[in-house]
Amino acid sequence: NAGVTQTPKFQVLKTGQSMTLQCAQDMNHNSMYWYRQDPGMGLRLIYYSASEGTTDKGEVPNGYNVSRLNKREFSLRLESAAPSQTSVYFCASILTGSNQPQHFGDGTRLSIL
Amino acid sequence: GDSVTQMEGPVTLSEEAFLTINCTYTATGYPSLFWYVQYPGEGLQLLLKATKADDKGSNKGFEATYRKETTSFHLEKGSVQVSDSAVYFCALSPSSGSARQLTFGSGTQLTVLP
Repeated sequence: NAGVTQTPKFQVLKTGQSMTLQCAQDMNHNSMYWYRQDPGMGLRLIYYSASEGTTDKGEVPNGYNVSRLNKREFSLRLESAAPSQTSVYFCASILTGSNQPQHFGDGTRLSIL
Repeated sequence: GDSVTQMEGPVTLSEEAFLTINCTYTATGYPSLFWYVQYPGEGLQLLLKATKADDKGSNKGFEATYRKETTSFHLEKGSVQVSDSAVYFCALSPSSGSARQLTFGSGTQLTVLP
């Protein structure tokens, strides 16, 4: 089925380790987003990419980097994981200029010990 | 900047009860407004949306009306079911700008008891 695919679904890291969360969409969307979801705080935007080759900071970018590898893929990297980055991470995409809503992946549950 | 304020939860109702989840927003211009629903262990799904003042979004028995004068977009359902148990998020997207990023409320956990 068409949609947004995130990998992995679950991950446990130790403080200081690094990892990359992967996101791919097959809907030919041009804009992609990374959010984190924390209890009582809704979803907060980490980084977004309005088009292939561009990335911009969102509300909470510190401690993260992103790469828009091509039109389909948008990865999120934690260079040195901290316990404060324990969260559920969601990737989303949209065809900017359309009347369609953002499509979300199923999330990655990340625990930093 | 833009912001969304949602009624705090959790909300617990009996089946067939009436549901209201309040949502107000702060934004410049005329943003688009959305309600998303998140079922346990899943991502967010669009429930309904409204793109201009006085628009009513509706889906699966849920309704919300875009009220510019009160900057509100309250979610209502006349008779909830156990299957409606989920977390509900109000969100807005700015009226200008190319990236269409969403600003979310904090979410409201709804539990419907049989």
